[in-house]
Amino acid sequence: KQEVTQIPAALSVPEGENLVLNCSFTDSAIYNLQWFRQDPGKGLTSLLLIQSSQREQTSGRLNASLDKSSGRSTLYIAASQPGDSATYLCAVLTGGSYIPTFGRGTSLIVHP
Amino acid sequence: NAGVTQTPKFQVLKTGQSMTLQCAQDMNHEYMSWYRQDPGMGLRLIHYSVGAGITDQGEVPNGYNVSRSTTEDFPLRLLSAAPSQTSVYFCASRERGGVADTQYFGPGTRLTVL
Repeated sequence: KQEVTQIPAALSVPEGENLVLNCSFTDSAIYNLQWFRQDPGKGLTSLLLIQSSQREQTSGRLNASLDKSSGRSTLYIAASQPGDSATYLCAVLTGGSYIPTFGRGTSLIVHP
Repeated sequence: NAGVTQTPKFQVLKTGQSMTLQCAQDMNHEYMSWYRQDPGMGLRLIHYSVGAGITDQGEVPNGYNVSRSTTEDFPLRLLSAAPSQTSVYFCASRERGGVADTQYFGPGTRLTVL
């Protein structure tokens, strides 16, 4: 059974810092990995999706990397802003599964 | 496109009452799923569907029922509400099983059972 872990569970940083969020998974036979953002009281919004054949994806200040062999993905946020404050979740779709497995998320606060 | 819509946004029930949470998507997605989100527990899969007429159980199906008569709609029924079902419920959809298929979420339904 796929297990997805996100470390740290919470993070507080000053504005302007570059930061890295981690996602690890136990079964490397994945189809894709997706990073989501969730604002308080809201639904999940997709940020980036990395297919199993890809090493990274970029969108603006966000860069997500994937290393299947080590069972890890990182979400890099450059020049963090208070508007980046949210919970970030990763979801792994494993081969043979219909529905992704989610980590519990990293709660990020960026203070001015 | 409206994407994934959920109704109601908020609901308060008394123990033992039944109700249906509605979910609809207008993207012609084959896969739909229901999750509940509780503090410290993350997202937990309740039921899912891979097409009209096909449903299956997820991690926490007890006390919930689903059906999928059309591609667009995937309602979640609470048979006899219990305080343990107090949670935020999210519906999600995905085109199908492709490696590039993004999962989309609805805005959620916040349910309180007294």
